[in-house]
Amino acid sequence: DIQMTQSPSLLSASVGDRVTINCKASQNINKYLNWYQQKLGEAPKLLIYNTNNLQTGIPSRFSGSGSGTDYTLTISSLQPEDFGTYFCFQHNSWPLTFGSGTKLEIK
Amino acid sequence: EVQLVESGGGLVQPGRSLKLSCAASGFTFSDYNMAWVRQAPKKGLEWVATIIYDGSRTYYRDSVKGRFTISRDNAKSTLYLQMDSLRSEDTATYYCATHPFNNYWYFDFWGPGTMVTVSS
Repeated sequence: DIQMTQSPSLLSASVGDRVTINCKASQNINKYLNWYQQKLGEAPKLLIYNTNNLQTGIPSRFSGSGSGTDYTLTISSLQPEDFGTYFCFQHNSWPLTFGSGTKLEIK
Repeated sequence: EVQLVESGGGLVQPGRSLKLSCAASGFTFSDYNMAWVRQAPKKGLEWVATIIYDGSRTYYRDSVKGRFTISRDNAKSTLYLQMDSLRSEDTATYYCATHPFNNYWYFDFWGPGTMVTVSS
């Protein structure tokens, strides 16, 4: 199974900050990497698919990059509504696997 | 608008069975591959099973193989998950999700989830 390691596990930042969340796969996942945001009590929401493609309706302050085993989610200017937990996810091979999550708190 | 609504969750004893349903609307259900994803309380997300649009193929994570069965009724636009021989570690919120139409294996739309608690 491909292990997905996210860092940091907890992040506290202020409105307007530039924020980055990292995800490392245990092997090459060929850019089949997605990012999801989840708020308490809600289902996850797709933000970015295949490393750097913004899902319809997602603000352009969210962006993704990476290749091989290393991937990054960037929020260019943090907004109050961006709090929540962020998960990376690989769909390069079965079983499909998620990272353990990064909890983003707004200072 | 895509809508997915899960039902059938509840409290069940270890070793017993439960069947979840997911009613889909707002899209052509029979065109889409579908999946179940779960999340244990205060834990991360875990893919459980996937079924191809016409039901011809299924995929399972190892920990549920032989115990869970994913199926679908395209005439009723409904996805199912039959869960047998339940264990305490199956306790989770179970989400129904669509794989996108572009034949990738990520999830684009999710239901609100249904909670399954396995306890004596």
